[in-house]
Amino acid sequence: EAEVAQSPRYKITEKSQAVAFWCDPISGHATLYWYRQILGQGPELLVQFQDESVVDDSQLPKDRFSAERLKGVDSTLKIQPAELGDSAMYLCASSSNQETQYFGPGTRLLVL
Amino acid sequence: KQEVTQIPAALSVPEGENLVLNCSFTDSAIYNLQWFRQDPGKGLTSLLLIQSSQREQTSGRLNASLDKSSGRSTLYIAASQPGDSATYLCAPGDNDMRFGAGTRLTVKP
Repeated sequence: EAEVAQSPRYKITEKSQAVAFWCDPISGHATLYWYRQILGQGPELLVQFQDESVVDDSQLPKDRFSAERLKGVDSTLKIQPAELGDSAMYLCASSSNQETQYFGPGTRLLVL
Repeated sequence: KQEVTQIPAALSVPEGENLVLNCSFTDSAIYNLQWFRQDPGKGLTSLLLIQSSQREQTSGRLNASLDKSSGRSTLYIAASQPGDSATYLCAPGDNDMRFGAGTRLTVKP
């Protein structure tokens, strides 16, 4: 069964450093989502792509976060510089035409 | 701006009980609603997707209903098992894609 892949699974970094997360969606899924989930809360949408275009990044802290999906397939989410408050689980999901979202295992980030 | 509320926040039941999890949302202009399960430290697993034109969906021991006009959905779990222990999240599908905080379910053997 096809799955959404994410790497790394865990990342520990010091504040002010740069970090990057990678996501490979299910083949053929045009829509890709990046979420941030703080412990005890539901996921918060950071950015949504339709193919290579951003359709919603209203919740993305653009002064330090960036996301790209250059060829409309895999995607990278970057944080520079990382802050203590960025410690969270970063989840990637994909879907086909506003149907079921399939989530990857997530990247757990700890900023020291 | 969509606001999603899930009640109760936590629930502990003995094995075999039937239970209902509630989800309410403020903006009824949704195209679907999805229920997910999340195990500790893991990603989300989709359980059921209800289209806005549907009233309910069933999968095994799970049944989800949707009352779009009143902004409510329920997830019914029949004959609960210890393996059902997880956090259950609902997400109304609209331009905002907001999630509830979830209901943390514990099923005791």
